[in-house]
Order: sequence, then structure tokens, then C-alpha cells
Amino acid sequence: GENVEQHPSTLSVQEGDSAVIKCTYSDSASNYFPWYKQELGKRPQLIIDIRSNVGEKKDQRIAVTLNKTAKHFSLHITETQPEDSAVYFCAASISPQAGTALIFGKGTTLSVSS
Amino acid sequence: IAGITQAPTSQILAAGRRMTLRCTQDMRHNAMYWYRQDLGLGLRLIHYSNTAGTTGKGEVPDGYSVSRANTDDFPLTLASAVPSQTSVYFCASSDIFSGFTDTQYFGPGTRLTVL
Repeated sequence: GENVEQHPSTLSVQEGDSAVIKCTYSDSASNYFPWYKQELGKRPQLIIDIRSNVGEKKDQRIAVTLNKTAKHFSLHITETQPEDSAVYFCAASISPQAGTALIFGKGTTLSVSS
Repeated sequence: IAGITQAPTSQILAAGRRMTLRCTQDMRHNAMYWYRQDLGLGLRLIHYSNTAGTTGKGEVPDGYSVSRANTDDFPLTLASAVPSQTSVYFCASSDIFSGFTDTQYFGPGTRLTVL
């Protein structure tokens, strides 16, 4: 089955720096790769996603890149701000029968200090 | 519109007791999911349902069962709770079209402690 590895597990940056989180997946049939942000005590919230027919997607300070050949995808946050501090999860879709579900990485705790 | 609701918010349960966690969505999504979240382990898929009347097993299904009698509700049952089932449980839902999943929306979670 699908396995998603996420690195690093913790990441500390100074405000204004960039942050990069990387994930690898094992199932070449995966076609959907979302990223979620989870603040302490809250539910995970989608921040950006990418599908297998696209190599890169941007949304303001956030971008995701996908390399299907190497089976890895990355989250890039530029000009980090203290409010970016949270746990970030990557995920890859699996296709059980006629639908899909997500397998998540173990998460990256991002700390942005001012 | 409430989105996804879960009940209870938190629960302390004696080992061996039966417990049902409730999940309801009003977005008419055809797919629903249950995850558990444990520190350092991320979100792990327990069970899923692609449409009313069908369910499937995720990564960690043992000790849990689900049903999907209608589109809106997806209860998760622990038949005989054990301490290792202490966790935060999240329900989620999404649309599925042509084999592609759309955004999964998460409920607020249920914090379950089994003593």
C-alpha cells in the first residue's frame, strides 16, 4: 500500500526566511497531493494541493512542486511570518476501489521566530 | 451551514466499554473518512466510505467498525475500547468525481481517553 515519508519532523526559521518541507510517496498510481496546516488544538485545514498532471502550483507565498518520476513533492513557504507556525502534513491519494482516500505523512512542526 | 460536526467533543471511557463517535456533514459529499491522530504519528486512516452503503478499511481498522446508512452520517464504533485507542479522532468528507478526490474537509475532532 501507499507509504508517505515527510521530512524534516521539525523546522525552525527566522521571520522572512523560506521554509521547505519534503515528502516522498511509494504508490505510482497516486494522483492527488494535498498539504494541510494544523494549528494547536484545531482541525487540519487545506492550504494547497496539486494533481499529477501539474508540476508546480503557487498561491501567494505558498508553492508546491511535484516530481512524479522521483515520487516526491515539496511545500515551499516564502517570507515566513510568525502566524505560519503550525504543524504541516503532506498526503498522497490512494484509490481503493472506485474512490480515493489519503495517506498522510507524520507531519512537520514549523516554528517561525520574529 | 455547519459543514462537518462531530460528537462528543471529548470523552473518557472505561476499557471494555462500547463507544460510538458521531459524524454528520451537510455538504452532500459522497465520500467520508475517519482518521486518528497520535503525537508523532500524524493522521492515520481508519475506515472510509466512497458512497452511502459502502465502506472500506484504511491503515488501522482493527478494533473499529463503521456504517454508512445515508449520505450525511458516518458513525465510528469501538466495540470494546482499549487504552491504545486513546487518541484524537477526526472525521472528514469530500466529493469524488471521475476517480479524483476533491478537497477533504475535516470535522473539529473528538478527544477520546480510554482508561
